[in-house]
Amino acid sequence: SYVLTQPPSVSVAPGKTARITCGGNNIGSKSVHWYQQKSGQAPVLVVYDDSDRPSGIPERFSGSNSGNTATLTISRVEDGDEADYYCQVWDSSGDHRVFGGGTKLTVL
Amino acid sequence: EVQLVESGGGLVQPGGSLRLSCAASGFTFTIYWMSWVRQAPGKGLEWVANIKQDGGEKNYVDSVKGRFTISRDNAKNSLYLQMNSLRAEDTAVYYCARDMGGNYWGMDVWGQGTTVTVSS
Repeated sequence: SYVLTQPPSVSVAPGKTARITCGGNNIGSKSVHWYQQKSGQAPVLVVYDDSDRPSGIPERFSGSNSGNTATLTISRVEDGDEADYYCQVWDSSGDHRVFGGGTKLTVL
Repeated sequence: EVQLVESGGGLVQPGGSLRLSCAASGFTFTIYWMSWVRQAPGKGLEWVANIKQDGGEKNYVDSVKGRFTISRDNAKNSLYLQMNSLRAEDTAVYYCARDMGGNYWGMDVWGQGTTVTVSS
């Protein structure tokens, strides 16, 4: 089954740029979606189809996907961005959705 | 307001059954695929199952195949998850989520979740 690999944690100072990676075999050929989950809350979709943002999501959130790595980039990081972030794709070989293990973003 | 509200969680013994419900409002339920996603305590997200608009196509994660059944009642704007032969490892918060499109799309609306605990 398809495996998505994320770093367990990323730390960034306020106002700087955070980059969270999601690795998978030829992930560039898949549509990648990113979710933000703050402590005790339900997940929120922040990027879909590699790089599109749902309405209401700040432009500071952006995504890219190529080769074996997809990346969620958060510019001008704010304290409120501290959360767990998950990437997700559809695994057509197994007919199921797959999530990465999640990355805890800490704002220093 | 677009909203999903789950119910039906609780404490159940290993081998028991539970039926989760998800009430949808604020959008045209009949035109969306729907999913269940779970999260074990202190763990990451795990997609469980999804179902097509008319119920004619369903997909499941391998660990629940043969034990869980996803269904929907479009007349009641409701999604369900029938869980049988429950195991300790099924203990989790179960979220109902709206699929943006079909399988290749993300999930753009989530409920607040309902907690299932499998324990003797």
